[in-house]
Amino acid sequence: AQSVTQLDSQVPVFEEAPVELRCNYSSSVSVYLFWYVQYPNQGLQLLLKYLSGSTLVKGINGFEAEFNKSQTSFHLRKPSVHISDTAEYFCAVSERGSTLGRLYFGRGTQLTVWP
Amino acid sequence: NAGVMQNPRHLVRRRGQEARLRCSPMKGHSHVYWYRQLPEEGLKFMVYLQKENIIDESGMPKERFSAEFPKEGPSILRIQQVVRGDSAAYFCASSPKGQYEQYFGPGTRLTVT
Repeated sequence: AQSVTQLDSQVPVFEEAPVELRCNYSSSVSVYLFWYVQYPNQGLQLLLKYLSGSTLVKGINGFEAEFNKSQTSFHLRKPSVHISDTAEYFCAVSERGSTLGRLYFGRGTQLTVWP
Repeated sequence: NAGVMQNPRHLVRRRGQEARLRCSPMKGHSHVYWYRQLPEEGLKFMVYLQKENIIDESGMPKERFSAEFPKEGPSILRIQQVVRGDSAAYFCASSPKGQYEQYFGPGTRLTVT
């Protein structure tokens, strides 16, 4: 089974500052990687995904993430955050080649952007 | 194209009652997944279904929980004789055949009193 670790449970930042949300996974097999965002009392929205190809992937709302196979990491970044980015962010992993397709989630990182 | 639909959005049940949660996948999606989110935790996989088949139920509690995805109609997650520990947000996700992206519904928040 996969294990996904989001190293920071809470990340407070000021508006227009850069932010990085960290995600590491444990895997001996190839994986697909995802970041989802959850606003209060809502479902999860896909921010970005890594399936193959370039290790730097760009998503919606100005977010990007870099896949680092040697460090088994997939950190999420944004160069300048807005108040509206305040939300819970989840990293998720799926095993490449598996017919089951289940996602393994981290515990989430609450990003709070202050004015 | 409507997204994944779940109903009800909020459900209150007393201990011992039954809870039925419904999920209609996105149009054209034949795979449905159910996840549970407990307070302060990430989402935990429960079950993966295709039409009329349970593919993987390894995350489902052995007792009181069941799921189905009939040929016609929504997928149903059923919890019998609910207990306080069942209080959580239950999310449904769907994906088209052959793809790994999952699209999530708004969730059903179950409160057991």
